[in-house]
Order: sequence, then structure tokens, then C-alpha cells
Amino acid sequence: QSALTQPASVSGSPGQSITISCTGSSDNIGYYNYVSWYQHHPGKAPKLIIFEVSNRPSGVSDRFSGSKSGNMASLTISGLQAEDEADYYCSSYTASTTHVLLGGGTKLTVL
Amino acid sequence: EAQLVESGGGLGQPGRSLRLSCAASGFTFEDYSMHWVRQAPGKGLEWVSGISWNSASIAYADSVKGRFTVSRDNAKNSLYLQMNSLSAEDTAFYYCVKGNLIQRSLDLWGLGTLVTVSS
Repeated sequence: QSALTQPASVSGSPGQSITISCTGSSDNIGYYNYVSWYQHHPGKAPKLIIFEVSNRPSGVSDRFSGSKSGNMASLTISGLQAEDEADYYCSSYTASTTHVLLGGGTKLTVL
Repeated sequence: EAQLVESGGGLGQPGRSLRLSCAASGFTFEDYSMHWVRQAPGKGLEWVSGISWNSASIAYADSVKGRFTVSRDNAKNSLYLQMNSLSAEDTAFYYCVKGNLIQRSLDLWGLGTLVTVSS
């Protein structure tokens, strides 16, 4: 069982916005501004889309945005497109372990 | 262009061993920590192991501790995962991943190599 909890699935129609939550604790998300999000299309390499809570790597669409409040981080995808259908994972740094914390993943379906 | 290419996957028998390799290119390999992350069929991503740039710091998930050994050869720009005492639960795609210590993120992933453990 992961230390970071995500909903198993979310869905939305093209053009809509969706938000994926990632709930941790005061030991990780609540204390550090080191939340990352990854997009994974089956059969492809996972891709970093958000780092340090809300920063986008070069080349990532500005339709992807991240935020944090307390022990919960969120990934928002606006203007949903068919190509956004994928699995999304959150991650957070914690000093209490050398392990990398990964959420259980959320499957996004574009209706 | 930065790239990670895994190899060494395949069919392994329960109780036996496999060794995965990862070839890095397009970045200064010796400057970065590296990780292995796996995905079992129908499951999410699971961090397996990480190693610092100079191999001084190594960590393992509890599920593989004592059975898997991570290592690297900076002269060969390569990362390795020695997998011993394999069990069916180790069946998964294994991804080689570059760590970013400043961002505390995993900023480059390989395509993965499939390990199937079955008799």
C-alpha cells in the first residue's frame, strides 16, 4: 500500500478540465515542495510532466498544472484531448526514507 | 538527445537469476543518481532501487531487499540490476530511470525491459 493515495480512475470529455488528487502526509507532501507528476502511456516510457509541485519541464504543454494544499497535491489538465488518456502518477520527496515515494496511479479516460 | 536503453529481460525460472542492464547516453551519466522502477501486469509503478552517482548510497524496496543488487559503471555509462531468487511476483516491466537531486524527481525514463518469471 502506497504512502501516497490517488483515485484509481478519473474521466472527462474533450475540452473539459479534470483534477487528479494525491494525498500524502505531513512527512512528505505536507512538508516538502518536491511533488512530481508522471504521465505513462502503455508501451511507452513514463514522462515527467510536473516537478517541484507546479513547474513544467521544457516541452510539456501548459494545459498541465500542479498545485498543493496541506498534505494533498493536485494535477489539473485543462482542455482535455484524446492524447491525454494515460496513467498518471504522483511522487513526493521525504527525508524519512531513502526510498522514492510513488502514488498508486490514476487512469484518465477521455470520453 | 538523452536516452536510457534497458536490456537483459526475458524468461527467468523461479529461484534463478537475471541481470538487467541500462545503457545511458546524451548526458553526463556520472553526475546523476539512477533508479530502477517496475510495473507488474495490471499494477502501478513501483520503485525498486536507487543508487547515488558515486555508488556510496544505495537503497532498495522492502520487496526486493536481500535478493536484488544495483550497481553502476560510470566509465561505461551503465546501470545494472542483479536479480536473484526470482519469484512470480517479480514479473514486470523494469524501467531504468535518471534521478534529479535538485528537483527531487525522476526526469528521464527508458522504455523498459520485460521480465517474466515462470517455470
